[in-house]
Amino acid sequence: GNSVTQMEGPVTLSEEAFLTINCTYTATGYPSLFWYVQYPGEGLQLLLKATKADDKGSNKGFEATYRKETTSFHLEKGSVQVSDSAVYFCAYGGATNKLIFGTGTLLAVQP
Amino acid sequence: EPEVTQTPSHQVTQMGQEVILRCVPISNHLYFYWYRQILGQKVEFLVSFYNNEISEKSEIFDDQFSVERPDGSNFTLKIRSTKLEDSAMYFCASSEALGGEQYFGPGTRLTVT
Repeated sequence: GNSVTQMEGPVTLSEEAFLTINCTYTATGYPSLFWYVQYPGEGLQLLLKATKADDKGSNKGFEATYRKETTSFHLEKGSVQVSDSAVYFCAYGGATNKLIFGTGTLLAVQP
Repeated sequence: EPEVTQTPSHQVTQMGQEVILRCVPISNHLYFYWYRQILGQKVEFLVSFYNNEISEKSEIFDDQFSVERPDGSNFTLKIRSTKLEDSAMYFCASSEALGGEQYFGPGTRLTVT
């Protein structure tokens, strides 16, 4: 069935390090892809999205490119900050309105 | 900025009891959702709701679950007879349009003892 797989956490980085969180999906058709972020004590917030192959979503220095050939949507940021510490969820939305999520990856950035 | 709110933030209940989780979606949104996350597992879709009807539900959403929009602002999830395995974080979400961005609430942590 349709699913999303993202890398296990926690990911611990020093400030200004490069971040990659891997995400791959299995789906029929052409889903939209999303990264959501959850800061401590808050709800899920949409970080970025891409709606078709080769689209790049970007926000707050984060980027992810919809790669149909590798069925991937890896999240990257060139220089992380302590304030980026959160849980990051990869998700896709298919023909129906529901979102299918990955397990979430905890990012801890140390000063 | 408009936001989705949920109450309570934490609910503890005994097995077999009924619980109602409450959500106030963003006021001009038309589509409403419940998701849940069992500790350490994926965020899972439960149900979507539009025009006072369930649009889609997952296999998790069995006869023990129901949703309701009792007035113009609230959206509730009821679990009739809770089980230990219902312990999870429950997230409400809403969107303005079909396929539009879903805005999530902070979640209600349900603990069934």
